[in-house]
Amino acid sequence: KQEVTQIPAALSVPEGENLVLNCSFTDSAIYNLQWFRQDPGKGLTSLLLIQSSQREQTSGRLNASLDKSSGRSTLYIAASQPGDSATYLCAVDKGGGSQGNLIFGKGTKLSVKP
Amino acid sequence: GAVVSQHPSRVICKSGTSVKIECRSLDFQATTMFWYRQFPKQSLMLMATSNEGSKATYEQGVEKDKFLINHASLTLSTLTVTSAHPEDSSFYICSAGWGSTVFFGSGTQLSVL
Repeated sequence: KQEVTQIPAALSVPEGENLVLNCSFTDSAIYNLQWFRQDPGKGLTSLLLIQSSQREQTSGRLNASLDKSSGRSTLYIAASQPGDSATYLCAVDKGGGSQGNLIFGKGTKLSVKP
Repeated sequence: GAVVSQHPSRVICKSGTSVKIECRSLDFQATTMFWYRQFPKQSLMLMATSNEGSKATYEQGVEKDKFLINHASLTLSTLTVTSAHPEDSSFYICSAGWGSTVFFGSGTQLSVL
């Protein structure tokens, strides 16, 4: 059974710091891995999607890596800003043809202090 | 870009009543939509896969007679929580895939008194 774990559960940093969020999964047979952002009372916003054949994806100040063999992914946020404060979720897609059948971690709640 | 709309955003109801949550894909057709549930401090858990024109597929441990799913058109899936009880209080959220991207609704916070 696939399990996704995220550490730390919560993180508080001063503005401007670079930071890394960690995600691990138990079954390396994944279709892809995604990082989402969840704001209180709102839905999820997809940040980065890494296909199983890829090793990393970048978007602006965000960089996500994937090491399938070790079951790990990291989300790197450069020069953090207060607007980055949110819960970050990692999710793996089991595949099987039904896009969107995702297994989520519990998330890392990030607080960036001005 | 593609958008998934979910309503209502918040529901407070009495125990024993039924609650319907709607999930709409606004500018694309979704033959498959997904319903998730998230309890406080827990991860989002897939409840069921909603298939247009056919029966939904439920995950193990999810009561299909309690959580009724109807996907009558390519742009609308509904989740009805029948005879809701306080233990059903949770955050419910839907998603739909378009191309290589998954779009999520804004979620529904259900509180059963």
